[in-house]
Amino acid sequence: LAKTTQPISMDSYEGQEVNITCSHNNIATNDYITWYQQFPSQGPRFIIQGYKTKVTNEVASLFIPADRKSSTLSLPRVSLSDTAVYYCLVGALNSGGYQKVTFGTGTKLQVIP
Amino acid sequence: ETGVTQSPTHLIKTRGQQVTLRCSSQSGHNTVSWYQQALGQGPQFIFQYYREEENGRGNFPPRFSGLQFPNYSSELNVNALELDDSALYLCASSLRDTKETQYFGPGTRLLVL
Repeated sequence: LAKTTQPISMDSYEGQEVNITCSHNNIATNDYITWYQQFPSQGPRFIIQGYKTKVTNEVASLFIPADRKSSTLSLPRVSLSDTAVYYCLVGALNSGGYQKVTFGTGTKLQVIP
Repeated sequence: ETGVTQSPTHLIKTRGQQVTLRCSSQSGHNTVSWYQQALGQGPQFIFQYYREEENGRGNFPPRFSGLQFPNYSSELNVNALELDDSALYLCASSLRDTKETQYFGPGTRLLVL
């Protein structure tokens, strides 16, 4: 499974757009990119998933360049409630060979009033 | 809410004891994965169950075992508990052979004294 690298922490003021980049140089052809959000003592919550180019949903956008060796999660106009740890995960979810899943240490986002 | 439930929410055991944690998957999901999350770390994959059989395992010893039932619910059993087993145990359900992501439960916080 492709190893991911993210910044350990980020700070942002309320109302700003936040971009968190994840590097995954060894991503395989079948791999998808998934981002999760986790609050303390809670299970990770799915944010967004993509394969290439750009994906947008009601909470975030995911930008994936053509070589797919990195991805950027974009959170528009963050609020204090967005303070959490964000994990980037790369893998072929639920494919026949999908077995191990590796989360990195994630990016701890602190939103400041 | 994801529809994935776990019980109990909290548990205290002593070293050497055995523990059973339970997970009910989201309706329609046939695959369950278990993760261990130590404080300040990302979730670590323990194993995955599909069709009542183990379908992949992370770097965990055999004293970590599991079951999946015909209704797709699952149990995680840990024998001979060690102090380092203290962690948040997460269960995630998914639908195999689709690109749909995993959805996590709230977790069970286990403390081993």
